Formats: sequence, C-alpha cells, structure tokens
Amino acid sequence: QVQLQESGPGLVKPSQTLSLTCTVSGGSISSGSYYWSWIRQPAGKGLEWIGRIYTSGSTNYNPSLKSRVTISVDTSKNQFSLKLSSVTAADTAVYYCARGSGSYPYWGQGTLVTVSS
Amino acid sequence: QSVLTQPPSASGTPGQRVTISCSGSSSNIGSNYVYWYQQLPGTAPKLLIYRNNQRPSGVPDRFSGSKSGTSASLAISGLRSEDEADYYCAAWDDSLSGSVFGGGTKLTVL
Repeated sequence: QVQLQESGPGLVKPSQTLSLTCTVSGGSISSGSYYWSWIRQPAGKGLEWIGRIYTSGSTNYNPSLKSRVTISVDTSKNQFSLKLSSVTAADTAVYYCARGSGSYPYWGQGTLVTVSS
Repeated sequence: QSVLTQPPSASGTPGQRVTISCSGSSSNIGSNYVYWYQQLPGTAPKLLIYRNNQRPSGVPDRFSGSKSGTSASLAISGLRSEDEADYYCAAWDDSLSGSVFGGGTKLTVL
C-alpha cells in the first residue's frame, strides 16, 4: 500500500520560500507511470491544485501560481518536493501531496503551513 | 472562485437519497473524466468516484456518480450519519492544463 508523508517548516515568513517534501513509501516513486501532485487547502476553503511532476521529471503547474512554483523529484530518496517563492498570508494552507493527476487515490495526511512574521 | 461549480450545502435525513451537482465547461467536464472526493473533518480527501461512475474498492455502492455533457452528479442513497462530510468534484482542464476542483459541498445529515 502506497503511503505519502509531507514534511517541512510549519511557519514561513512573508516574502520567503515555502519548501515541503513528500516521502513515498510502499513503492518506488520511479516505478510505474504516475504523476505526483501537490494540492493545498486554506482553512475553511476548497482544494486548489498546485502542480504535478511525472516520473520522467516533466512538470505542469497551476497558471495562477506558475511564476512562483517549482516541483522536483529525488528518486534516490523516493521523495518529491514543492518550493513556493515570495509567499504571502494568502499562501497559508494545509498542503497535501498525492499520487495521480485528476484521480488521486493516495494522499498524505497534509501539513499546515502558516505564513506570518 | 472555483472552476467547477457546486452548491455550498446539501442536507438529508437518514435513509434518504441526496444528490450533489457539479457544473463545468467543455474544457473540463465536457471532455474529461469526473472524480468525486469525500473529506471528513480534519482528514485528507478520499477518492469516492473515479472515471465518472466507478467506485474504488471499499466504497459502498450507496455512492454513485454520473455525467452528462458539462455537468456531473454524485448521488448518495440510504443516507447515514457517517456520510456527513465535505464533497468535492474534480476534473482535468485542457485549457488550463491542470486539475480543477469544485468549491465543495457540505453535506449535513439531519
């Protein structure tokens, strides 16, 4: 059974870069033809897709975040990562990593990231 | 504002059948599969329906999905108290080249 776990700082200062890592267990991140995605959810609000990375390393990003987002993969560590630059309070949310694209059968538990000075 | 449109709330009594709608456009629902997620408070979303009307293993057959044109629906029959949750529809959007979600529907079991 595939499991995902987010990790990273829970507090980021405005204008700085948010960095999160998703560790995948129960299978190799590079096996199979899967996308690995990041999705976020501000408190009390809906889900917002941030972007995805394919096992080949190709990426797609939400156009509204594209200028600030980078998703990368480290197959040696079975991890993929999210970097979001120039954060503001509007980026405060629970961040989820998930396997898939459109269909997300596997999710991490989510990690709350607060942007505050 | 979400790309896919859902009613913010829905309700029903135990045993009833409720439906939740999801409206999109030709670039998302009209040309791609629809997915439904259930989110219980404080937990990650759970895939409920994939490819418009397919249920993952373990999802009760009380849950069903349908799609017509640029709209989709989730139906829950034999409503139970544990069905009280937020429900989200999702689809791939060809114009945005990304996943889009509905704003979510909070289901209350009265």
